[in-house]
Parts: sequence; C-alpha cells; structure tokens
Amino acid sequence: GNSVTQMEGPVTLSEEAFLTINCTYTATGYPSLFWYVQYPGEGLQLLLKATKADDKGSNKGFEATYRKETTSFHLEKGSVQVSDSAVYFCALQETSGSRLTFGEGTQLTVNP
Amino acid sequence: GAVVSQHPSWVICKSGTSVKIECRSLDFQATTMFWYRQFPKQSLMLMATSNEGSKATYEQGVEKDKFLINHASLTLSTLTVTSAHPEDSSFYICSAWTGGTGNTIYFGEGSWLTVV
Repeated sequence: GNSVTQMEGPVTLSEEAFLTINCTYTATGYPSLFWYVQYPGEGLQLLLKATKADDKGSNKGFEATYRKETTSFHLEKGSVQVSDSAVYFCALQETSGSRLTFGEGTQLTVNP
Repeated sequence: GAVVSQHPSWVICKSGTSVKIECRSLDFQATTMFWYRQFPKQSLMLMATSNEGSKATYEQGVEKDKFLINHASLTLSTLTVTSAHPEDSSFYICSAWTGGTGNTIYFGEGSWLTVV
C-alpha cells in the first residue's frame, strides 16, 4: 500500500537558518505529492503541491521537488522565520479525488 | 484558495449525549468530503470518505453507528458523534475535494471535541 515517511522531529532552528524536512514515499502508481502546514489549534493549510515527476512546488519561500528516482519530496526554505513555526505534513494522493495518505508530521520551532 | 468551514470550532458535551459537527465548502461544490481524527502530536487518521447523496465509506476500525456521517448536499457534510464518551475527545478535521483534475483537497479549521 501507499505510505509516507517524514524525518523525525521536532526540528528547532534559529531565525534565518536553512530548513530541510525530508519526505519519502511508497506508492504503486504516480501519485500527486503535497505539503500541508498546521498551526497550533488549527486545521491544515495547503502549502504546495506537485503532480508529476520533476515538478517543483513553491509557496511563501518554501519549495519541494518531486523526485521519482528517489521517491522523495523534501521541503526546503532558505531562511526561516519565527512565524514558520508549525507542524508540517507531507502527503500523497494516488488519484485525483482519492484519499490523502499523510506522513507523521514534523514539528518545526524557529527561535528569534 | 477554496474555503472549507467547520462548526463548531470548540464543543464540550456530557457523556452519553450526541454532538454534531458541520463541514461546509463555502465557495465550491464538494463531490467528496473526508473526515479525519487527530490525537495530540500525532498525524491525521482518516475516519471516512463521503460522497454527496450516498453512504459514507468508513475506514477499518471506525464504528459506523457511533460516527454518523451525512453528506446531504454538495456543500455540506456532517459528523455526528453518538453516545459520546471521554475517549471520543479529539480534534476532528474535515476536508473537501474541489473536483475535476486539480487534485486539490482543502481542509477545514478543525473542531475540538471534549466529552466530560
């Protein structure tokens, strides 16, 4: 079956540091890949997505590239801010409209 | 982007009572809605998938008679927790698919349920 594995957290960084959160996946087909962000006490917000190999999703300074050869979709940001502190979830969707399969989530804390 | 709204955001109920949580897609029609449950510091657990006008498809281990899901229209799905117990206390999140080939699923703000 499908699965998503994220790097274990929590991750603590200083403001303006470089961020990488690793995400790898297992899927039978060619899924779409997503990063969602969850701020404390809130639902999930779509951060970025990529629907096919070599696509790069980007938003708010975050980016991730769909790497089929390594089955990865690592999230990166060049300079994090305190406001980026949240839980980040990597997810895959096998076909349009089907269920999302989530990773475990990675807690990011950015200190001033 | 598309907006999905849940209501209530917070609810406290007594053991043995039932509580209903609504999930609305505000600016699009949602063919499919999903209900998740999230425990503190954990990932989301899919409870069921609902399609407008048909019965929900529940995940293994989720009690259909306890968690009643109704998707009566293309913009509204409801989750009713029946005969609530303290162990049902959790964060419940719904999501809705916009349809078409966009592949995007949008999430509601979540609803905190506390059963006392």
